This record gives sequence, structure tokens and C-alpha cells, in this order.
Amino acid sequence: GAVVSQHPSRVICKSGTSVKIECRSLDFQATTMFWYRQFPKQSLMLMATSNEGSKATYEQGVEKDKFLINHASLTLSTLTVTSAHPEDSSFYICSAQTPDSPLHFGNGTRLTVT
Amino acid sequence: GNSVTQMEGPVTLSEEAFLTINCTYTATGYPSLFWYVQYPGEGLQLLLKATKADDKGSNKGFEATYRKETTSFHLEKGSVQVSDSAVYFCALSVGFGNEKLTFGTGTRLTIIP
Repeated sequence: GAVVSQHPSRVICKSGTSVKIECRSLDFQATTMFWYRQFPKQSLMLMATSNEGSKATYEQGVEKDKFLINHASLTLSTLTVTSAHPEDSSFYICSAQTPDSPLHFGNGTRLTVT
Repeated sequence: GNSVTQMEGPVTLSEEAFLTINCTYTATGYPSLFWYVQYPGEGLQLLLKATKADDKGSNKGFEATYRKETTSFHLEKGSVQVSDSAVYFCALSVGFGNEKLTFGTGTRLTIIP
């Protein structure tokens, strides 16, 4: 079946640095990718919707300059957390979609900012 | 706005027990309802869904019925197995072709032999 690969699965970085998370659709072309964030014991919150070749659409309250999303091809979207701070520590999940199929999710990335 | 309220976990059951995980929702418009499952070390997978009132979604022995009158979509299984241990998420989306999902908090289920 369709697979979405998310990398890295875990990352620890120092405060003030930037971290890039990759989301790849391995055997299908994803017209749309979604980025979610999950805090402990809370639900997945949609951060942004990313369409190939166009700017991402961010949900209310999500800082687009803080969370840079690039969807340069039909198989790759990246989320860059810029100038990370401890409050950015969270679990980030991507999902990918084609028009005729359900969403496929990555395994998630655990980000810890020290 | 849209929201999903899900039974808090964790839930621990013995093998072959009956399972219910409650889920209620609020939505603007007519939502589609979903249950997703996340097995250890894997990404979320669609377990079942229902797109209109009174529809019943089913898969792998799990069932959930879209109840508009009670705005609920409770997940049930008659006899759980150890392999059902996972985190279960209730979710909704609104609008035709709109896969922007609103999730519940997830319920961790552990089945002991």
C-alpha cells in the first residue's frame, strides 16, 4: 500500500537553531500534504495545508515565518522549524493525499528543543 | 467551530473483552466521521469511516455508527485481541472532498492476554 516516510523520527536541537523535517510519499504522487502538531495528551492540531508548487495555507494561530513549509515536488514536503525554542518541542506528523485516496500518514517526528 | 471529544485513556482490557471508545462531535455543516488507529511505531491508518447519518463503518471487527441525534460515533468491538493494542483517534471532516481533519485527543488501548 501507499507509504509516507517522515524523517527524522526523533531530533534534539539547541534553542535558536533550525530543524528541517521531511515528508515523502514513496509510491504515489501527493497533490496535497498536511502538517500536524500534537502536544502531550492533546489532539493532533492541523498546522498547514501544502499543495505542490504553491504556498502553504496556514491555520489560524500558526506562525508562517516560524514554521516554513515547502512542497517542491509531488513526493516531498518539508517543514522547517526556525529559531527553535523549548516551547516548539512537540510531535509533528505529516500526511499526504491524492484526489482519489484516503490520507496516508507518516510515523511522526519527535522534536525536543533544549 | 468543529471539535471532537474522545474518551480519555488509557484503557486496559483483557483479551476477548468488549470494547467501547466514546466519541462525540460538534461541527458546522454535515461532517464525515472517521476512526484512525496508530499501532506502535507506525503512522496513523484509517480504520473505518461513515459519511452520513445512520451509516455504519466497519473493519477488522470494529464498528461505529454515525448518530446524528446524539452527535456520536462510538467505536465498538465485540472481542478484542492483543494485536488491537494501539492508539485510536476519532476525527471529522466537513465539506465534500475536504480532508482537513479535526481530531480527538486519542485513546490508548492496551489488551492483556
